[in-house]
Amino acid sequence: SAVISQKPSRDICQRGTSLTIQCQVDSQVTMMFWYRQQPGQSLTLIATANQGSEATYESGFVIDKFPISRPNLTFSTLTVSNMSPEDSSIYLCSVGGNPQYFGPGTRLTVT
Amino acid sequence: GQQVMQIPQYQHVQEGEDFTTYCNSSTTLSNIQWYKQRPGGHPVFLIQLVKSGEVKKQKRLTFQFGEAKKNSSLHITATQTTDVGTYFCAGQWYGNKLVFGAGTILRVKS
Repeated sequence: SAVISQKPSRDICQRGTSLTIQCQVDSQVTMMFWYRQQPGQSLTLIATANQGSEATYESGFVIDKFPISRPNLTFSTLTVSNMSPEDSSIYLCSVGGNPQYFGPGTRLTVT
Repeated sequence: GQQVMQIPQYQHVQEGEDFTTYCNSSTTLSNIQWYKQRPGGHPVFLIQLVKSGEVKKQKRLTFQFGEAKKNSSLHITATQTTDVGTYFCAGQWYGNKLVFGAGTILRVKS
């Protein structure tokens, strides 16, 4: 399985600001995914990060709010824009299709 | 949309008792995967079931996939305190997208 790191591991941000989360994998992977896990809830897929093309967003998530970059096969970023307290969640990246392996997550608190 | 229903939401057992969590999809799945998330941790892959009626075991854990490939269960025999966490099923249809169930929180009293 791939080794996945995320930065930052946690952050406390003011409403209205933006935070960029990085996901680094120790090997080249085709599929990278970004999930949100709200407190005490399950995982919800935000988008699939495609190398060399636009990310594919799930219903309820838009590019203006969650822009994603995927500059190469080992790295991706997710930006949470114009944050509100409702964005307080754990954000997880994962790789692989079948099965998926998850990074340690970024715990975001918006005040 | 595609959904996976998971029950129960929460279970609190005495150490040594058994535990079971169930998942159900209204449509036929390509496969179902099970993950465990320890408190404060991230989901860790446990197993994938692909074939109709498949049963797989990992020590005290038994995973089943229904004949119609619409439901699945995870059974833990003789729970231990190390089993504490949230168990998620995740359904996959045709494509790479996973849809997670709501999860079952397991607490074990010693």
